[in-house]
Amino acid sequence: DSGVTQTPKHLITATGQRVTLRCSPRSGDLSVYWYQQSLDQGLQFLIQYYNGEERAKGNILERFSAQQFPDLHSELNLSSLELGDSALYFCASSVRIRGPYGYTFGSGTRLTVV
Amino acid sequence: QQQVKQSPQSLIVQKGGISIINCAYENTAFDYFPWYQQFPGKGPALLIAIRPDVSEKKEGRFTISFNKSAKQFSLHIMDSQPGDSATYFCAASGGGSNYKLTFGKGTLLTVNP
Repeated sequence: DSGVTQTPKHLITATGQRVTLRCSPRSGDLSVYWYQQSLDQGLQFLIQYYNGEERAKGNILERFSAQQFPDLHSELNLSSLELGDSALYFCASSVRIRGPYGYTFGSGTRLTVV
Repeated sequence: QQQVKQSPQSLIVQKGGISIINCAYENTAFDYFPWYQQFPGKGPALLIAIRPDVSEKKEGRFTISFNKSAKQFSLHIMDSQPGDSATYFCAASGGGSNYKLTFGKGTLLTVNP
């Protein structure tokens, strides 16, 4: 157990729908990073939050948004889902505000859009 | 634009053999090069990492070799075991994008008993 908890583990939904993925970071970690893993693109950075504030954005679609709450858990919201959004979504946490050192990944949420 | 290129895509090695996975990067601002191991149904887990001020780092059976001038680094797994069968990812970070990891596409390693 990495200490980073992601729920749900699996999600099947229809095109056009909206889903929320949840991530609880390791105890003491203030940064949460979201990554998308697909067969064709590999692991791609989406967005980072540190202590409730957005710190960095990657190739995140406008249909996707995230937030980090006062208890430091984070949610990734995916809306107007398309078949191509089917992927594994990982969050990672770190104690640092910057730098991927000591990243710890969760086990991911597998999203299937049908 | 793929900034970290990893090869091979898949690798089959006999138990006790040496597994070698290679990566090449483009961004000379990268200054942190980790390798991650991922088992099915799990997230990537940090295996070993290197900074460009050293040419080699060894941890147990795992060694990273780093060639700064060639912008290449590789993972060597000595005495490969069936339990090493997993997907391995190289990654890089640094410069203006030091908040994130840029990953290679992964290598599926199979170690036959």
